[in-house]
Amino acid sequence: DARVTQTPRHKVTEMGQEVTMRCQPILGHNTVFWYRQTMMQGLELLAYFRNRAPLDDSGMPKDRFSAEMPDATLATLKIQPSEPRDSAVYFCASGLDLRTGAFGYTFGSGTRLTVV
Amino acid sequence: QKEVEQDPGPLSVPEGAIVSLNCTYSNSAFQYFMWYRQYSRKGPELLMYTYSSGNKEDGRFTAQVDKSSKYISLFIRDSQPSDSATYLCAMNTGNQFYFGTGTSLTVIP
Repeated sequence: DARVTQTPRHKVTEMGQEVTMRCQPILGHNTVFWYRQTMMQGLELLAYFRNRAPLDDSGMPKDRFSAEMPDATLATLKIQPSEPRDSAVYFCASGLDLRTGAFGYTFGSGTRLTVV
Repeated sequence: QKEVEQDPGPLSVPEGAIVSLNCTYSNSAFQYFMWYRQYSRKGPELLMYTYSSGNKEDGRFTAQVDKSSKYISLFIRDSQPSDSATYLCAMNTGNQFYFGTGTSLTVIP
């Protein structure tokens, strides 16, 4: 059963520290998304990539967040420096470009980040 | 105003009840309408999707879209304790997906 793998599952860090979250998308999926989920805001899109190229990162605070896809099997989301308001669950999801006729994403299990 | 509005609940029903979950939206350009189910401490999983107005049935689940009213619904018949989860509606235009904040459902045995 193909799945999206995210590491770490949980992360507790101190304010000001750098945090890196990793995602292994499903093999063959050409679109990767990063979402943040909080009780108040629900799921918020941070960034997405198609064929490893960043298409939209307008949802991401640029001064502290960065997203990259160094190769087709790895996507990373980095926060530097981290702040308590960054505490949330971060989800990676992968899918196929809608233009191919497929749609909907497969989500990973998330990284639960707590910044103290 | 948010693109997608969803009542967060929580909703609590007895086993066997019919459940109705709803979302409203503002963007008439939305094309696909989806429902995701999210169990505690898990990622959302795609449950059903529909394209344009109409109904779609899959077992105990029925998804309904009314584009004229900008309103979508998910009905669960004969609800089971295993249906207890948060249900998120989602809709898209192109590759931009917009999610509701989710409705928490508990089915009591």
